[in-house]
Amino acid sequence: GQSLEQPSEVTAVEGAIVQINCTYQTSGFYGLSWYQQHDGGAPTFLSYNALDGLEETGRFSSFLSRSDSYGYLLLQELQMKDSASYFCAVSITNDYKLSFGAGTTVTVRA
Amino acid sequence: NAGVTQTPKFQVLKTGQSMTLQCAQDMNHNSMYWYRQDPGMGLRLIYYSASEGTTDKGEVPNGYNVSRLNKREFSLRLESAAPSQTSVYFCASTRGRNYEQYFGPGTRLTVT
Repeated sequence: GQSLEQPSEVTAVEGAIVQINCTYQTSGFYGLSWYQQHDGGAPTFLSYNALDGLEETGRFSSFLSRSDSYGYLLLQELQMKDSASYFCAVSITNDYKLSFGAGTTVTVRA
Repeated sequence: NAGVTQTPKFQVLKTGQSMTLQCAQDMNHNSMYWYRQDPGMGLRLIYYSASEGTTDKGEVPNGYNVSRLNKREFSLRLESAAPSQTSVYFCASTRGRNYEQYFGPGTRLTVT
């Protein structure tokens, strides 16, 4: 089976930078994705890394190291609206299935 | 485009009752998925359909059945509901690019 580990909670102030780590153990690997979910609403896609390195999309960046089975999501210039749960997910087959981590709740304080 | 729609939004069932959760997407995606999310947990895959006419089990398929009615619609059936099936159910679809999945708003199901 697959296992993914990410911290359960992170708290930071507005304007700060937060890094959410994700380590995984899987039987195969195609890529690592990140999703954001506000208050039990629909998860929304943030990023996908198939190759080692950093992908930047606005204030959010995602990093992958395949050799270390590790990735992270970097949230910069935190805003109150970034308070949400963030999930890492791995794809282990080429049929687009995902296995999700338990999620990290990010709380942004004024 | 409506994206991914789910009905109903909320449902309360008694133990042993049956029901079908409906999901439809208007993005012409081939692959569709059903997940459940329990408090403090990530999403767990129940069943998926890689393409019209095919369905496969995910991590937690016991107690559920699915039907891929056509390319747009993918339904999830609980034949005999149990309190352990109290959860939020999400449907999702993807065209495959970057493994990006689009999620519906969810169905909040309580089984008493």
